[in-house]
Amino acid sequence: QVQLVQSGTEVKKPGASVTVSCKASGYTFGTYGINWVRQAPGQGLEWLGWMSTSNGKTNYAQMFQGRVTMTTDTSTTTAYMELRSLTSDDTAVYYCGRVVTGYYRMDYWGQGTLVTVSS
Amino acid sequence: QSVLTQPPSVSGAPGLRITISCTGSSSNIGAGYDVHWYQQLPGTAPKLLIYGNKNRPSGVPDRFSGSKSGTSASLAITGLQAEDEADYYCQSYDSRLEGWVFGGGTKLAVL
Repeated sequence: QVQLVQSGTEVKKPGASVTVSCKASGYTFGTYGINWVRQAPGQGLEWLGWMSTSNGKTNYAQMFQGRVTMTTDTSTTTAYMELRSLTSDDTAVYYCGRVVTGYYRMDYWGQGTLVTVSS
Repeated sequence: QSVLTQPPSVSGAPGLRITISCTGSSSNIGAGYDVHWYQQLPGTAPKLLIYGNKNRPSGVPDRFSGSKSGTSASLAITGLQAEDEADYYCQSYDSRLEGWVFGGGTKLAVL
């Protein structure tokens, strides 16, 4: 079955960087994109960006451009999201999700990774 | 605030029907982009509930239905059950922002 398994909880200091991984299994990795979405405590969902797993193309949300980098390792079917220059506003649960090629929807989600930014 | 507008909360008694609205604009829903709905049960990751405005993934009960008209979309839940208590989010694509957009979410309480 399709599974997206994310890396564990992170605690970072302001100004640091964090990398969250998302290990995919149960489907052909290169035929679906990967999205990253976050949810601050008690808040709604916020899109960070999308990456094609077939050609490496990315589309980052405007507010994160310059601060986020998304990559994939097709040999391990793992996607990565790096967020830099962290502030307390980046404290959130970060989710990866499988994107149906050609359609703007996420049909499977990872379990989420809590990133806490605190001095 | 969110690009797509949803009511913060709705409530209904068991067995009844509720609807959740999702209002966008000419650069997203009104531009013809599909609307998708996600259900987030407490403490869990969101789950795709409705895709392509009105389609249900396998395993989603037919008590859940979606529709879209103009710059808005709606999610309807009939025969409310206690297990439907969750947060519901609409999502589309915005051509002006060139990115995905979500509604602010609606908390459903089953009284």
